[in-house]
Amino acid sequence: AQKITQTQPGMFVQEKEAVTLDCTYDTSDPSYGLFWYKQPSSGEMIFLIYQGSYDQQNATEGRYSLNFQKARKSANLVISASQLGDSAMYFCAMTHSGAGSYQLTFGKGTKLSVIP
Amino acid sequence: KAGVTQTPRYLIKTRGQQVTLSCSPISGHRSVSWYQQTPGQGLQFLFEYFSETQRNKGNFPGRFSGRQFSNSRSEMNVSTLELGDSALYLCASSLGHSGGYEQYFGPGTRLTVT
Repeated sequence: AQKITQTQPGMFVQEKEAVTLDCTYDTSDPSYGLFWYKQPSSGEMIFLIYQGSYDQQNATEGRYSLNFQKARKSANLVISASQLGDSAMYFCAMTHSGAGSYQLTFGKGTKLSVIP
Repeated sequence: KAGVTQTPRYLIKTRGQQVTLSCSPISGHRSVSWYQQTPGQGLQFLFEYFSETQRNKGNFPGRFSGRQFSNSRSEMNVSTLELGDSALYLCASSLGHSGGYEQYFGPGTRLTVT
């Protein structure tokens, strides 16, 4: 069974600083995908970044980068130059297509608060 | 390109009633997945549909069901509502094949059962 662990229930960061949100995962499948989503108070889940298990380079999308350490089974999200609008819940998730399904398994989330 | 749409956005129902939620995926996406989000249980997978077939199902009672139409739009139904069914119901769409793993979520339907 797959499992995602996010050990930081809440974090604070100063505006314009960088922040790292931790995520570790557990799976026995060789092929899987790792995701980060942002959920503002409105409830919508916003896709941020994706990393495939066979990708050699860390994924980046604008101010977001995913620090993928396969041997340690970690997939930390790094947000550079934090903005007030980054205050939200952040979820790490994984999927595997081995079973022909794209089911996502989510972590409990980290609540990020950006301080002006 | 239009995003994922869900209707209705908010719903209040009484215990014992049934409810139907709708989800329209991004154009060209053939996979629709449904998730339930509650403060206690977090985000839990309900089921996934691909090309009108249920491809996977989570650990929920039979009161929760779904279907997908030929245009990829999906509906989920909950019968005999219980207080514990109060939650945010999110649907996500993806290509569903050929490595199209990225899943894009709709705004959700917030269901309150009284």
